[in-house]
Amino acid sequence: DIQMTQSPASLSVSVGETVTITCRASENIYSNLAWYQQKQGKSPQLLVYAATNLADGVPSRFSGSGSGTQYSLKINSLQSEDFGSYYCQHFWGTPYTFGGGTKLEIK
Amino acid sequence: EVQLQQSGPELVKPGASVKMSCKASGYTFTDYYMKWVKQSHGKSLEWIGDINPNNGDTFYNQKFKGKATLTVDKSSSTAYMQLNSLTSEDSAVYYCARSALYYGSSYPDYWGQGTTLTVSS
Repeated sequence: DIQMTQSPASLSVSVGETVTITCRASENIYSNLAWYQQKQGKSPQLLVYAATNLADGVPSRFSGSGSGTQYSLKINSLQSEDFGSYYCQHFWGTPYTFGGGTKLEIK
Repeated sequence: EVQLQQSGPELVKPGASVKMSCKASGYTFTDYYMKWVKQSHGKSLEWIGDINPNNGDTFYNQKFKGKATLTVDKSSSTAYMQLNSLTSEDSAVYYCARSALYYGSSYPDYWGQGTTLTVSS
């Protein structure tokens, strides 16, 4: 199984700051990667698919990058509604494993 | 508007089985795979499996083979997941998610609100 190592596990930031969350795959996943946001008590929401493509309705302050085994989600000028948990997931062969998550909190 | 309405919370005894549902609306049910995902309390997410509503083909995470059974009822646009031989390890929130095909992979673009399963005597 492909392992997804996500970092950091938690992050305390202020509104207006820029954050980067990374995900490292245990083998090449050829950009078959998604990022999700999950608010407390809610279902995950797709932010990015195929590593770099924003899902419908996702603000342009979010961006995805990476290739091979290393991927990143960047959030520019953090807004209050961006706080929550973020997960990556690969889609290169089953099982489609998730990263351990990053909890983004207000400083 | 795409909606996935999942069935309500379940409290079941160890050793029992449960069948939860995910009713789809706002799109053609047979055009998109349905994924099921498990989230244990305070933890990350696990992919359980996919089902193709058009023909019933299923694709399981090996970890959940024998535990989960995915089915659909095309007439009611509803996907089901049955979990059997329940233990406390199965207590979790379970999500269904419609999967859209982009660049050769099926990404879950709409999610249900989740069904909370509690296994307790």
